[in-house]
Amino acid sequence: DTQMTQSPSSLSASVGDRVTITCRASQGISNHLAWIQQKPGKAPKSLIYAASSLQSGVPSKFSGSGSGTDFTLTISSLQPEDFATYYCQQYNSYPLTFGGGTKVEIK
Amino acid sequence: EVQLVESGGGLVQPGGSLRLSCAASGFTFSDHYMDWVRQAPGKGLEWVGRIRNKVNSYTTEYAASVKGRFTISRDDSKNSLYLQMNSLTTEDTAVYYCVRVDRQSAFDIWGQGTMVTVSS
Repeated sequence: DTQMTQSPSSLSASVGDRVTITCRASQGISNHLAWIQQKPGKAPKSLIYAASSLQSGVPSKFSGSGSGTDFTLTISSLQPEDFATYYCQQYNSYPLTFGGGTKVEIK
Repeated sequence: EVQLVESGGGLVQPGGSLRLSCAASGFTFSDHYMDWVRQAPGKGLEWVGRIRNKVNSYTTEYAASVKGRFTISRDDSKNSLYLQMNSLTTEDTAVYYCVRVDRQSAFDIWGQGTMVTVSS
């Protein structure tokens, strides 16, 4: 199985901050990497696929990069609605696997 | 509007069975692979399994934790996805999400989820 490791597991940031979350795969997954946002008590929402492509309707403040084993999600200017937990997920091979999540909290 | 609506969750005893349904609307359901993903209380996301489309013979994939106990099926005439869960244990307690897979093989649309509680 491909293990996905996210860091940090949580972070505190202020409105307007630039935030970066990293995700590392235990083996190469090409660009078959997605980022998913989940707000408390809500269903997950897909943000990015193919490591750097935005899902329809996702604002451009979100960006992704990486290939192979190392990936990043960046939020360019954190807004109140961005406080949530973010998961990376690989879809290169079965079983599909998720990172443990990064909780972004208000400082 | 593209929408996925799960139903069928509830309280079931260990060893019991439950069938979840997911009603799809707003898109051509038969074109897409469909997945189930679950989330135990206070935990992260866990992939459960996938069913491919008719072109790919409705073949399935499962997580090791559910293989042999859970079965995914679909009825394209009803725009519906199903998850038959047997031999349930307390470890299966979770919110179960129905998820659409896009043409790039990534998840794109999520349902609102349905809660399954396995307890005596």
